[in-house]
Amino acid sequence: QVQLQQSGAELAKPGSSVKISCKASGYTFTSYYISWIKQTTGQGLEYIGYINTGSGGTNYNEKFKGKATLTVDKSSSTAFMQLSSLTPDDSAVYYCANKGFAYWGQGTLVTVSS
Amino acid sequence: DIQMTQSPSSMSVSLGDTVTITCRASQDVGIYVNWFQQKPGKSPRRMIYRATNLADGVPSRFSGSRSGSDYSLTISSLESEDVADYHCLQYDEYRTFGGGTKLELK
Repeated sequence: QVQLQQSGAELAKPGSSVKISCKASGYTFTSYYISWIKQTTGQGLEYIGYINTGSGGTNYNEKFKGKATLTVDKSSSTAFMQLSSLTPDDSAVYYCANKGFAYWGQGTLVTVSS
Repeated sequence: DIQMTQSPSSMSVSLGDTVTITCRASQDVGIYVNWFQQKPGKSPRRMIYRATNLADGVPSRFSGSRSGSDYSLTISSLESEDVADYHCLQYDEYRTFGGGTKLELK
């Protein structure tokens, strides 16, 4: 069965970067794009962007250009999202999802605090 | 950018109610709307795709509909397990989520 397993919670200092992973299993990795979504505590969902897992091509929500960088490692069926120049506003749960948002990872909590 | 205006933001409901949540798209998005259910501490679950299609394993009391630029999720005979947050998503041009609807029991 399709599964997306995300890396664990991160505690980061303002100005630093974090890199979250999303490991796919149960299907051919390059069959589906992977999207990334942000959810602030108690708030709605924000779309960050997606990556073409075959070509590595990316598409970003304008708001997250320069903040998020999406990459993949096909050899390990893993997608990554790096968040840079972190501020407290980046504190959130981040999800990966695929196949038209049919499948989601369990979420990764990122907390930015000095 | 396409906006998805979701209403209401919260709703007080009773078991057995018929509940309707609506998203209005700021421009034509065709059939490219999904609906998600999210329970506390859990990932969103896709309930409806392409505006009217029931996702795998979703109970038939859930349905999706479209009228022009208005997209609705209806839950008939609300059960306790349906009390959750609901989100719409358009994926015609880029992707945009609605603001979410929180269902609470009276």
